[in-house]
Amino acid sequence: EAQVTQNPRYLITVTGKKLTVTCSQNMNHEYMSWYRQDPGLGLRQIYYSMNVEVTDKGDVPEGYKVSRKEKRNFPLILESPSPNQTSLYFCASSFSATYEQYFGPGTRLTVT
Amino acid sequence: SQQGEEDPQALSIQEGENATMNCSYKTSINNLQWYRQNSGRGLVHLILIRSNEREKHSGRLRVTLDTSKKSSSLLITASRAADTASYFCATDAKAAGNKLTFGGGTRVLVKP
Repeated sequence: EAQVTQNPRYLITVTGKKLTVTCSQNMNHEYMSWYRQDPGLGLRQIYYSMNVEVTDKGDVPEGYKVSRKEKRNFPLILESPSPNQTSLYFCASSFSATYEQYFGPGTRLTVT
Repeated sequence: SQQGEEDPQALSIQEGENATMNCSYKTSINNLQWYRQNSGRGLVHLILIRSNEREKHSGRLRVTLDTSKKSSSLLITASRAADTASYFCATDAKAAGNKLTFGGGTRVLVKP
C-alpha cells in the first residue's frame, strides 16, 4: 500500500530534550516536506527536500533540522525543543513540490 | 499573509444538502488544489485544477476556477455525514517559487 508513515504519532517531552520524528514513504517520491499545523495559523511549511542530500528552508524553519540521506526517509529533528513547538506535525511526499501531496497521519507533539 | 483564504471558516448543513466553499488568492497561480482533513488526521488530496481550466468534477465534487477574480470554489453535492471534515485549498503561485501554500481551511459539519 502506498503510504507515508510517521513515528511517533504522539509525543510529550520536556524543554531542551532532543527528539527526532521519523518520516518514510514507499512511493519513490523525490519531493518530501514537513509542515506544522496550529489553530488559526493553518498549515505552514518547515523544511522541504527536492531530492537526496538536497534540503531547503520553508516558511518556519527556526528550531528545526532535517536530513535526506535516503530517498524514502526525511526525519525532522528538534535539537532543543521549546513549548512554542507544541503542534501537530505532518510529513508529505510527492513527485514534485506542486503536484498532489501525500500526507502522513501526523505527529502530535507537546513540549512542556 | 496566506496566499489562499477560504470562506466561510465554518459551515453547518444537513445531510443531503450541497456544501459550497470558496478560496481566494492574491497572485497569479499555476495550479490550485483542494484537500480534505478529517479531525486530527493527515490531509487527503481531492482535486487539482490548472490555471487554464475553468471547471473540474470528481464524483460528488465540483471545482471551479475564476482566474480573473482570483478565486476557486469547491461544491460537494448531496452531502453525507462522512463529508464532515476541514477543507483546504492550496495554491502554487508563479511568484512564490516551487512551493504550495495552504489556506486556513473551511470546517464543514454535515448533520445526519
